[in-house]
Parts: sequence; structure tokens; C-alpha cells
Amino acid sequence: AQSVTQLDSQVPVFEEAPVELRCNYSSSVSVYLFWYVQYPNQGLQLLLKYLSGSTLVKGINGFEAEFNKSQTSFHLRKPSVHISDTAEYFCAVTQSPGSNYKLTFGKGTLLTVNP
Amino acid sequence: DVKVTQSSRYLVKRTGEKVFLECVQDMDHENMFWYRQDPGLGLRLIYFSYDVKMKEKGDIPEGYSVSREKKERFSLILESASTNQTSMYLCASSGTGGFPYEQYFGPGTRLTVT
Repeated sequence: AQSVTQLDSQVPVFEEAPVELRCNYSSSVSVYLFWYVQYPNQGLQLLLKYLSGSTLVKGINGFEAEFNKSQTSFHLRKPSVHISDTAEYFCAVTQSPGSNYKLTFGKGTLLTVNP
Repeated sequence: DVKVTQSSRYLVKRTGEKVFLECVQDMDHENMFWYRQDPGLGLRLIYFSYDVKMKEKGDIPEGYSVSREKKERFSLILESASTNQTSMYLCASSGTGGFPYEQYFGPGTRLTVT
């Protein structure tokens, strides 16, 4: 079975500062990894995904994440955040390839960008 | 664009009522999911369906049932609503072709049981 730990439940930052949201996973097999974003009063939308190949993955809205197999981590980064990045961010994992299509989600990190 | 719609954004029901939450997707996806989202607990899978009339329990199925009579529609049923089922409910779908693991989410239904 796999699991996901998001190390920070809340991250407050100032506008234009860099940010890193941390995600560690646990799995005995190869994995696919995802970051989703949830803006207030909306559903989740995919930011980026890691399937294979390059460990640095670029997503939408200037976000990127780095897969580190030895540390079982998939941290999300943005060099300069905007007020509009205020949202909840979820890391998710699934087996690769898996016999079902279920994702296991972390508990979320609330990013608050202050002016 | 994939579109997943949920029948209500906000719903208020009384304890003991039977509650139906409906989800419709327009991408001919085989897989559909119901999650419950609570502060500090993230998303927890209630039920999963991988085909019409096929379903599988998720992590927290107690108190819930589901129905999938047509490919595009997946319903979550609370047989007798209780206050501890007050939550945000999210529906998602994914296909089996291409990259089947990416899930597309609806906007959510915030259910309050009084």
C-alpha cells in the first residue's frame, strides 16, 4: 500500500517570495506522482505529474516539482508567488503501472500569499 | 475540455433523510470516484466505479452506497443522513485510454446535515 505525507499543513508567504511545498511518499513499487491545486470553493485541478524520465517536472502557473527517488520526495516549488496562488495544494500517488486507477492523496497544504 | 458536473453546489438536509448526490461526466470515462473532503484529513475515497454497474469500496464506505446505471453518471447515496456526514463531496473521473491515472474533478457539493 502507498501513502503520502505533506509535511506542512499551512504555509504563509509574502507575494513575490519563493515557496516550497513538501511531499513525501511511501511505496514498495514504482509510482506516478501528482500535484493538484484547489482554489477556494472549487474542485481540484492538475498542476503537474511525474510519470518517468526527467526528475524535474514543469506544470502550469509557473510551478515545478522534483522527483527524488532516494528520498521518496516530490516537493513543489515556485520561484515567485502571486496573491492568486493562494489555494490548497494536494500531493497524490499511485502505483505504476497499477491494476486500478485509484490515487492516494495527502492531507493538503494551505498556501496563503500575503501582500 | 473534460467536464465533470455535480448536481448541487450546496445542500442542506435533515438527519435521517435519504440524500442523493449526482455526478455526470462528458468524456466517456470508464472510471468514476466519490471522495469526501474534510479539513485536515484531505481527500478520502468513498467508492470507485470502473464500469457500468461495477463498484468497489474505498477507504470509508460505511453509511454510503453508490449507483452507476449509465456510463456518464455516478450517484452517491446517503441512506439515512447523519450529522457526521456533513462534509464536502467531490466527484472525479478518469479514462482507461492514454494515461488513465489523471483524475478530473467536479466543483464539489457542500452537504450540511442538521
